[in-house]
Amino acid sequence: DAGVTQSPTHLIKTRGQQVTLRCSPKSGHDTVSWYQQALGQGPQFIFQYYEEEERQRGNFPDRFSGHQFPNYSSELNVNALLLGDSALYLCASSPRVTRDFPVVDTQYFGPGTRLTVL
Amino acid sequence: SQQGEEDPQALSIQEGENATMNCSYKTSINNLQWYRQNSGRGLVHLILIRSNEREKHSGRLRVTLDTSKKSSSLLITASRAADTASYFCATDARNTGFQKLVFGTGTRLLVSP
Repeated sequence: DAGVTQSPTHLIKTRGQQVTLRCSPKSGHDTVSWYQQALGQGPQFIFQYYEEEERQRGNFPDRFSGHQFPNYSSELNVNALLLGDSALYLCASSPRVTRDFPVVDTQYFGPGTRLTVL
Repeated sequence: SQQGEEDPQALSIQEGENATMNCSYKTSINNLQWYRQNSGRGLVHLILIRSNEREKHSGRLRVTLDTSKKSSSLLITASRAADTASYFCATDARNTGFQKLVFGTGTRLLVSP
């Protein structure tokens, strides 16, 4: 049973560039969430996708955008990179919240992509 | 913004000792979870405690939850060098309809042989 996978592992970009990070959810999961973790901090919620739409968003600017594909995999795009975007980007998957299962218990995290902006 | 605060920020103990870390949060929750993170990599889920539970055990882990004080504690008994990691509590706010985990600031645990 494959867990959550992310690519690439590491990435180095310069200010102003654009980056795309990728995530494949755990088998059987259709909801993907993205988190940003700055050095020495806890992860912060960026947004969540299911049914190929952004369902909830954290306090991040529009430079951060995403996409979910029919196979439930997801991409995180960041435009006009700033030095402050340097962080570990974590993807997490979970089963979808439904009326029968209104509370999803556990999110499963991938290993993350370390983004460095120079 | 971070939902909660973990205390202490860092903890250094010897193998065999117990490690206790605390978490405080701000809003009403459905449940509280603890995660472990090794060397800045992915988060590993350790244990979940629901808002109507007060204590839960899993192997060497014991978690307590006090919703009146909006706080939780994680106890690792008989610690091992392999327990060296950062530990985070995470909460999801009640009645949001979506699971958005809000993490604390983390406790860095160092277990020396």
